[in-house]
Amino acid sequence: EVQLVESGGGLVQPGGSLRLSCAASGFTFSSYWMHWVRQAPGRGLVWVSQTDGDGSSTTYADSVKGRFTISRDNAKNTLYLQMNSLRAEDTAVYYCVRALRYCNGGSCRSTFDYWGQGTLVTVSS
Amino acid sequence: DIQMTQSPSSLSASVGDRVTITCRASQSIRNFLNWYQQKPGKAPKILIYGASSLQSGVPSRFSGSGSGTDFTLTISSLQPEDFATYFCQQSYTTLTFGPGTKVDIK
Repeated sequence: EVQLVESGGGLVQPGGSLRLSCAASGFTFSSYWMHWVRQAPGRGLVWVSQTDGDGSSTTYADSVKGRFTISRDNAKNTLYLQMNSLRAEDTAVYYCVRALRYCNGGSCRSTFDYWGQGTLVTVSS
Repeated sequence: DIQMTQSPSSLSASVGDRVTITCRASQSIRNFLNWYQQKPGKAPKILIYGASSLQSGVPSRFSGSGSGTDFTLTISSLQPEDFATYFCQQSYTTLTFGPGTKVDIK
C-alpha cells in the first residue's frame, strides 16, 4: 500500500525556517517524481515544487523561489522541503504528492495519484 | 502561468442528480487536464487524468471530457459520498489548479 506521511509542520515566526519531511512507503520511491502542494485555510490548491527521481532536477513556483528548497534521500525514502524566510502568506497545509506520468499523442505529463495527509505550517508572530 | 477557471463555484444538488462542472484554461492545454475530489479535512483524490481517463478504482459515474481550453466533469447520478469540492488542474505547463467547485446537498 502506498503511503506518504508528512511531518515537521508547526508555528513559526515571520522570517523563520522549517523543514518538512515526507516518509514514503509501498512503492519504489526513486522511480517517481515527487511534489509539494499547499492549501491555505479555506482556499484552493497551489503547486509549490517538484523534483525528479534522483533529485537532480528541481522546479519551484515563483512565490517560493529562492526561499524554499526541495530535496530527497532515496536511501531513506524521504522527501524534504526546507522553507526559509517564511511569510504569513506561506501559512497552509502542505501536502507531499506522488506524480504519475501519463502519455498522450507522443507527449507525457503528470497527474497526482497519491497524496499525504498534509502538515500545517502557520507563520505568525 | 496558465489560469484555470471553474464554473459554477458552488452548486446544490440532490442524490441521483446529474451534475456537470466546467473548467476553462486561459490557453490551450491540449488534453493535459486532471480532476480531483476533496472532502473537508482530507487530501485531494484523483478522479480523472488526461481529460477523460478514469483513475483505477474511481466509480464509473464520474466522467471527463474536453480538449484545448474547455473541459467538463460529469457525475451521472450523484451519490451521498460525492458531496465534496472538485478541482481541475492543468499539467501542460507549470502546474496550476482551478479554484474549485463545491457540491453540497440541496
